[in-house]
Order: sequence, then structure tokens, then C-alpha cells
Amino acid sequence: SQTIHQWPATLVQPVGSPLSLECTVEGTSNPNLYWYRQAAGRGLQLLFYSVGIGQISSEVPQNLSASRPQDRQFILSSKKLLLSDSGFYLCAWRGVRGEAFFGQGTRLTVV
Amino acid sequence: QKEVEQNSGPLSVPEGAIASLNCTYSDRGSQSFFWYRQYSGKSPELIMSIYSNGDKEDGRFTAQLNKASQYVSLLIRDSQPSDSATYLCAALAKGSSNTGKLIFGQGTTLQVKP
Repeated sequence: SQTIHQWPATLVQPVGSPLSLECTVEGTSNPNLYWYRQAAGRGLQLLFYSVGIGQISSEVPQNLSASRPQDRQFILSSKKLLLSDSGFYLCAWRGVRGEAFFGQGTRLTVV
Repeated sequence: QKEVEQNSGPLSVPEGAIASLNCTYSDRGSQSFFWYRQYSGKSPELIMSIYSNGDKEDGRFTAQLNKASQYVSLLIRDSQPSDSATYLCAALAKGSSNTGKLIFGQGTTLQVKP
């Protein structure tokens, strides 16, 4: 069965520091992968999606970037974090009917 | 702007009652709909999916879809305190079958009181 791993679970970073969040998927090949952010008390916002290695689509202009160096690896990065980057970051892969299956998430607090 | 709307709640129901959660969507071309349950501090978990008009039942959960009214609902029968969570409605927009981009509502917080 497919599983998705996301780490770290929590992260506290100072403003202006870099960020790297990693997500890996097991049990499937060439999955569609997604990064979502959930700000406190708000819904899920799609940040990036990828349909294959090196293929990244950005949904909203922001301080973040994404990369997909391997088939089952998806990375979310920032060169300099802002306070507004705080939130719950979720990686997900696409099921056969279009549903999303989420990793355990990373709670990022920028201080 | 394609949107999915939910009442943020909280919706409070007594234990054993039926909880009714509602969702409307703006993109008439949306084909597939999903309900997720999210416990506080945790990631969303898929609990129901529905693709055609009518009702779909799975245990205590029933999803209802009315494409003419652009309305999706989730009924939880015999509500338990463990059902207390935020429920997210999501729609797969027409044309997104390859990308799989889901549009999520803000979520409805359900409180089941013993």
C-alpha cells in the first residue's frame, strides 16, 4: 500500500532563515504530488503541484519554491522565511479518482 | 474564482444525534467531491467520496450530492464524541483530472457533546 512520509513534524525557525521540508512517497510510481498550507483557522491552500520529475507548477506567488528531484520525492524550500510563512504544511499524493492523501504535516512557526 | 463554501460552525450536536454538514461549490463543471475529517493538530483524513447525484452510504456516514443545486452534504448518524473534528469539503474541478487539483472549503467544526 502507498504511504507518505513528511518531516519534521514541528519546526521553529527565525525570520530570514532558510527552509527545507521533505516529503517522500512509497508504494507508487510517478505520483502527482502536492504541497498545501493551512494557516491558523483557515482552509487548505494549494501551493505547488508536480506531475513528474522536475515538473513544478506554482499556484500562488509567494516566498516559497518547490522541487522534485526524484520520482517519489517532493521538497518545499525558502531562502528567507517571513513571519507570514508560519502554518501547517501538508504534502499529499493523488489517488486514482482525484482524491488527495496527506502526510502527517509539518507545523512551522517563524519567530 | 472557483470556490467551495462551508459554514465554519461550530456545529454542536448531542451524542447519538445526526450531524448534518453542508457544502456548496461554484464550479458547475466539478465532477468529484470528497469529505475529509481533520482532528486538531493532525492532517486531513479522507472519509467519503461521491461522484454522482444521490446518496452514498458508508457505515455511519452518508454523502449526498445534488449537482443541479451545486450542493454536497455529509450526514453522520449516531454521532459520537470521537467524531468531534473539523470536516473539510473538497471538489475536483472540471479539467483537473490530470493535475488532480482540489479546491477545499474552510471546514466546519463539529462538536459532539456527551
